[in-house]
Amino acid sequence: QVQLQESGPGLVKPSETLSLTCTVSGDSISDYYWNWIRQSPGKGLEWIGYVYSSGNTNYNPSLKSRVTISVDTSKKQFSLNLSSVTAADTAVYYCGRLSYRIPRATGPAHDFWGQGALVTVSS
Amino acid sequence: QSVLAQPPSASGTPGQRVTISCSGSRTNIGSNPVNWYQQFPGTAPKLLIYSNNQRPSGVPDRFSGSKSGTSASLAISGLQSEDEADYYCASWDDSLNGPVFGGGTKLTVL
Repeated sequence: QVQLQESGPGLVKPSETLSLTCTVSGDSISDYYWNWIRQSPGKGLEWIGYVYSSGNTNYNPSLKSRVTISVDTSKKQFSLNLSSVTAADTAVYYCGRLSYRIPRATGPAHDFWGQGALVTVSS
Repeated sequence: QSVLAQPPSASGTPGQRVTISCSGSRTNIGSNPVNWYQQFPGTAPKLLIYSNNQRPSGVPDRFSGSKSGTSASLAISGLQSEDEADYYCASWDDSLNGPVFGGGTKLTVL
């Protein structure tokens, strides 16, 4: 069974950089899009960006200037860096696998998610 | 402001059929399939319906999805108390070249 696990600090100071890592187990990291998605308290889901296993990335335009997502296939990990954080970045951060390889699928879907990591931005 | 529009809440009594709508545009739902996710408080979203109407293994056939034009719907028949959760629609957006989500619908079983 595929499992994703987020790790990183739960508290970040304003203006600093939020860094999270997602470790993948139970399947290859190759040939998938690896995503970061966040959910502010009491709010909906916001896509942050993805990295393909080859290293290609795409980011939400609303966060693009502050986001970097990278992948380390040898460690089966991918990472999120979000710079210059403010209180508005306080959220639960999920990592998720976006797959085109689900049987009978005609498009991609997030078929596996991490349990989520609460990150609070506060001094 | 989410890209896909969903009603913030829905409700029904046990045994009823309820539907949740999701509205998008030409660049997302109008051009790509729709997925639905179920989320219980304090847990990660779970894939419920993919590619408009496909159920992952283990999802009861009480859950079904449909799409027409730039809108989609999730239907839950034979509503049960354990269906009380938040439901999110999602689709790929060709302009963004990434996924977009609805704002979520909180389903209450009365």
